Amino acid sequence: EVQLVESGGGLVQPGGSLRLSCAASGFTFSSYWMHWFRQAPGKGLVWVSRTNRDGSSIKYADYVRGRFTTSRDNAKNTLHLQMNSLGAEDTAVYYCARDINSGADCWGQGTLVTVSS
Amino acid sequence: QSALTQPASVSGSPGQSITISCTGTSSDVGGYNHVSWYQQHPDKAPKLMIYDVSNRPSGVSNRFSGSKSGNTASLTISGLQTEDEADYYCSSYTSSYTVIFGGGTRLTVL
Repeated sequence: EVQLVESGGGLVQPGGSLRLSCAASGFTFSSYWMHWFRQAPGKGLVWVSRTNRDGSSIKYADYVRGRFTTSRDNAKNTLHLQMNSLGAEDTAVYYCARDINSGADCWGQGTLVTVSS
Repeated sequence: QSALTQPASVSGSPGQSITISCTGTSSDVGGYNHVSWYQQHPDKAPKLMIYDVSNRPSGVSNRFSGSKSGNTASLTISGLQTEDEADYYCSSYTSSYTVIFGGGTRLTVL
């Protein structure tokens, strides 16, 4: 069974950092591009970042570029999102997802990040 | 880059058909055949319903179909069922090598 499981979310103070992880199983992780998406409470889906198969090409949305860093460890079937300089506007459920031609055919359950003092 | 434009809400009765539009520009929807549609029920992760404009992933009902004309993509759901009531989002690849979403459409099955 194809499965993605996010972890690492929680409460963080404004200006703080958090590192999210996404554990993949049930498919050949290294063969797929991967995405991060997020969804603020009561709001719509937003794309955050995507990486190619070996992590050599990573793209970011304008509002996270320079603050967030995506990486992957194909040996451990894991995707990461390092988030720095967090603000209240970054409060959201963060999802990792497997790419299919810039769509996403498999999603994790999401992990909630709350930025608040 | 602005979000793709979707109607905020649509509604239909069981058995009817509805169409949700998704309007972008020549830099996203109109320029590439990488438009996807997602269904999201409350407090659930999104589910891919259509990719590459009109392709259905395995397991998705053939009541769901997608199309595109110019800068506007469309999702049609035929034979509406109560379980189709959900939020629907379109997304597209862009000329900036990014992905952009629509604001979402709430489907109500009356």
